Amino acid sequence: NAGVTQTPKFRVLKTGQSMTLLCAQDMNHEYMYWYRQDPGMGLRLIHYSVGEGTTAKGEVPDGYNVSRLKKQNFLLGLESAAPSQTSVYFCASSYGGSGRPSSYEQYFGPGTRLTVT
Amino acid sequence: ELKVEQNPLFLSMQEGKNYTIYCNYSTTSDRLYWYRQDPGKSLESLFVLLSNGAVKQEGRLMASLDTKARLSTLHITAAVHDLSATYFCAVDTNFLYNNNDMRFGAGTRLTVKP
Repeated sequence: NAGVTQTPKFRVLKTGQSMTLLCAQDMNHEYMYWYRQDPGMGLRLIHYSVGEGTTAKGEVPDGYNVSRLKKQNFLLGLESAAPSQTSVYFCASSYGGSGRPSSYEQYFGPGTRLTVT
Repeated sequence: ELKVEQNPLFLSMQEGKNYTIYCNYSTTSDRLYWYRQDPGKSLESLFVLLSNGAVKQEGRLMASLDTKARLSTLHITAAVHDLSATYFCAVDTNFLYNNNDMRFGAGTRLTVKP
């Protein structure tokens, strides 16, 4: 199993450009998450999904959109990139709630380092 | 609003010593997570704590949860250099708001010196 993969690994954008980050998981997980991590900080949740076709806003959703058309994929879009969106983006997935601790465990992808100039 | 505070933010300790990292959170939550992150790498799940009084141990790390005090601890026993990393705690608000919003602490950067 590949686990959680992210594409691309690195990207440089100019202000105002758009792009889509792809997250894929092969563990048949219901829940998927997008986070950003800025230097010296913990992760902040952007959007998440509790199943195919569903999405919800997290702590910092402004400037981002997401889609979960297939259970295994979770896309993060930046419509008009801004320098404030320079960050490392992590995707994660989990089985979902079943009462067992292991079902809530999140598996993280390797990250995408995005720079907006 | 759910807030998560970790302390200390930086911890330098000698091999063989014990220490504890603290994680306080501001509102009721029954799920507490601990993660490890090596420099330039992704996050690795260490523990998921679901209930008051839960205690989990893996090697030299032991995590506990006190939901009444809104406090979790990560105890390091007889530290070794390989434990050098940044440790994050996180909580989610599912219990309270029927969603899955996650909040992370700022992280504790641990350095274990010989």
